[in-house]
Amino acid sequence: QKEVEQNSGPLSVPEGAIASLNCTYSDRGSQSFFWYRQYSGKSPELIMFIYSNGDKEDGRFTAQLNKASQYVSLLIRDSQPSDSATYLCADDPGGYQKVTFGIGTKLQVIP
Amino acid sequence: DADVTQTPRNRITKTGKRIMLECSQTKGHDRMYWYRQDPGLGLRLIYYSFDVKDINKGEISDGYSVSRQAQAKFSLSLESAIPNQTALYFCATSDLSLAGDEQFFGPGTRLTVL
Repeated sequence: QKEVEQNSGPLSVPEGAIASLNCTYSDRGSQSFFWYRQYSGKSPELIMFIYSNGDKEDGRFTAQLNKASQYVSLLIRDSQPSDSATYLCADDPGGYQKVTFGIGTKLQVIP
Repeated sequence: DADVTQTPRNRITKTGKRIMLECSQTKGHDRMYWYRQDPGLGLRLIYYSFDVKDINKGEISDGYSVSRQAQAKFSLSLESAIPNQTALYFCATSDLSLAGDEQFFGPGTRLTVL
């Protein structure tokens, strides 16, 4: 069975610091990877996707993918209290296979 | 207006009752999903449908059934609710894009079974 592993946290960082969220996956055939942000009691929303090895930057967010190591990460620069949420990693094998979500990492940004 | 809607948003029921959760979408997506979320367990897939004639079990389908009435509607039923089905339920839709199978979630239904 495919697995997506995340540390559930909480990960606490001071305001202004870089938050680093990590994810490993078991399916070498996975093609795309997603990072969703979920505020408490709310629904997940997509913040980043990546499908090529290397880094992808969008504002304060950088997604990193290393397919050889089966490792995906999300960096949040200049962390703000509003970034406090649970971050879900998901892998997408493509085609008619379903996406698999990790359990999520809870991030707390301390003012 | 919300693209993915769920009704009801909150429901309290008793053990043994039949419950239906409904999901509607205006995104025009073929794929629809039902997930439940429990603290510490993340999102777990109950059922999914890649088109109107396609229904598939997810990892935790026991005790649940679904109906895909149209492209836009996907309902989840609990035939005889039990307390361990107390959870936050999400409907989601997707359509293959450059981003892959990006999923769009409804606002969720909080279900409590007493």
